Amino acid sequence: KAGVTQTPRYLIKTRGQQVTLSCSPISGHRSVSWYQQTPGQGLQFLFEYFSETQRNKGNFPGRFSGRQFSNSRSEMNVSTLELGDSALYLCASSSRPASGANVLTFGAGSRLTVL
Amino acid sequence: LAKTTQPISMDSYEGQEVNITCSHNNIATNDYITWYQQFPSQGPRFIIQGYKTKVTNEVASLFIPADRKSSTLSLPRVSLSDTAVYYCLVGDISSGYSSASKIIFGSGTRLSIRP
Repeated sequence: KAGVTQTPRYLIKTRGQQVTLSCSPISGHRSVSWYQQTPGQGLQFLFEYFSETQRNKGNFPGRFSGRQFSNSRSEMNVSTLELGDSALYLCASSSRPASGANVLTFGAGSRLTVL
Repeated sequence: LAKTTQPISMDSYEGQEVNITCSHNNIATNDYITWYQQFPSQGPRFIIQGYKTKVTNEVASLFIPADRKSSTLSLPRVSLSDTAVYYCLVGDISSGYSSASKIIFGSGTRLSIRP
């Protein structure tokens, strides 16, 4: 069973540019969530999509947006990049568990560097 | 939302048993406790999940006392490859499904294993 695939793995942008990151979830998983990880702030929740609908959004400015397609693949976009947006962006997919709490399966991440 | 507190770092040696304790004083009735492991530049990986008492799988054990205000991840006979950051988190299971937005990653415990 293929895991969560994120592309690109690494990218370099300059301030003011915009970036789009892609995530392909595990087959059958309908929920996709995005996280930003930085050394200073740790792992922070960005947003979650389920069946093409954004269900929850973290405390990030409107420059951060996302969407989910009918095949559950998801993209996130960051516009007007700032230096502080440099981070590892992680995507996770999950499915409804038979019991217990939600278990997230993460991709390897997209490392964004803003110069 | 239940917050967690873990030691920032721990050191141990190969072959030793390592116990990482997590405090979650405000855990809710429906919350499960989940532990993830993260290597540098990779996404977190699920290790183990439990609700109460003891859970064991092929890589770790999770001990949860009756009051559930703390939990201890136990790694038997660690090796150098267990050097990673370990996250303890709690998530609610409203309607049998927990939203990713209700899963808060703390700062994690940086475990270093020496030869």
